[in-house]
Amino acid sequence: DAGVIQSPRHEVTEMGQEVTLRCKPISGHNSLFWYRQTMMRGLELLIYFNNNVPIDDSGMPEDRFSAKMPNASFSTLKIQPSEPRDSAVYFCASSFEGSWTYFGPGTRLTVT
Amino acid sequence: AQSVAQPEDQVNVAEGNPLTVKCTYSVSGNPYLFWYVQYPNRGLQFLLKYITGDNLVKGSYGFEAEFNKSQTSFHLKKPSALVSDSALYFCAVRDRGYNKLIFGAGTRLAVHP
Repeated sequence: DAGVIQSPRHEVTEMGQEVTLRCKPISGHNSLFWYRQTMMRGLELLIYFNNNVPIDDSGMPEDRFSAKMPNASFSTLKIQPSEPRDSAVYFCASSFEGSWTYFGPGTRLTVT
Repeated sequence: AQSVAQPEDQVNVAEGNPLTVKCTYSVSGNPYLFWYVQYPNRGLQFLLKYITGDNLVKGSYGFEAEFNKSQTSFHLKKPSALVSDSALYFCAVRDRGYNKLIFGAGTRLAVHP
C-alpha cells in the first residue's frame, strides 16, 4: 500500500488566493483527519471524518477553512482567502477502527 | 476534556545511554495511548500503542513505553540511544468514543555522539 497520499507537497501562494490541499487515505480506512502543525501551536486537529461524514470540525480556525470528503478515497481542505498566518504544514491521516493512525507526508504551505 | 502533557521541550542524551521521554495524560475512563515520531521534513510515524493488557509496551526501533495508571503516565523509553533516534516525539491519546487523536506538544530528542 502506498500509504496516505497528499498533494501538493509544497505550496507557495500569495495572500488572498485560494488554496486546495488534497488527500487520498489508505484504502479500507474509514476515518480521515486533517491536522495542522506550526511551531507556535504544535499539532492541531482541524477536522475529522468518519465514513465520509464530518464528525468534529471544532478545530477549523474560521470560515475561510472548509473540508470535504466526497467519497471514501478522497478529501480536500480548502482555504479561501489564504492569509500569511495560515502558513504551516498540513497533515492528512487515516485510520480504521482499532488500528493506529497513519499520517501522510504533509503539505508545506507558505502564504506570502 | 482529554489532554496530553509532555513536560520537556527537549531531551539530550549521549549515544549508548538510556533515554526517557515523559508523557502524562488526562482522560475520562481507560485511555488509548500512542507514541509517534517525526523526523525532519517527514510525516509522523507510529511507534507503539497501549490499549489494554501488559503495562510495558514494546514498539518499533527498540522503543518501549510503560503505562502507569496511578501516575497517569506513559513514558517512552529506550535502553541504549542511537544518534539516529534524534527526532521529534509526540505522545497522543485517543478518544474511545471517536477515533481522533489528541497530541502533546512534542519533545525534541537530541542524541549526541
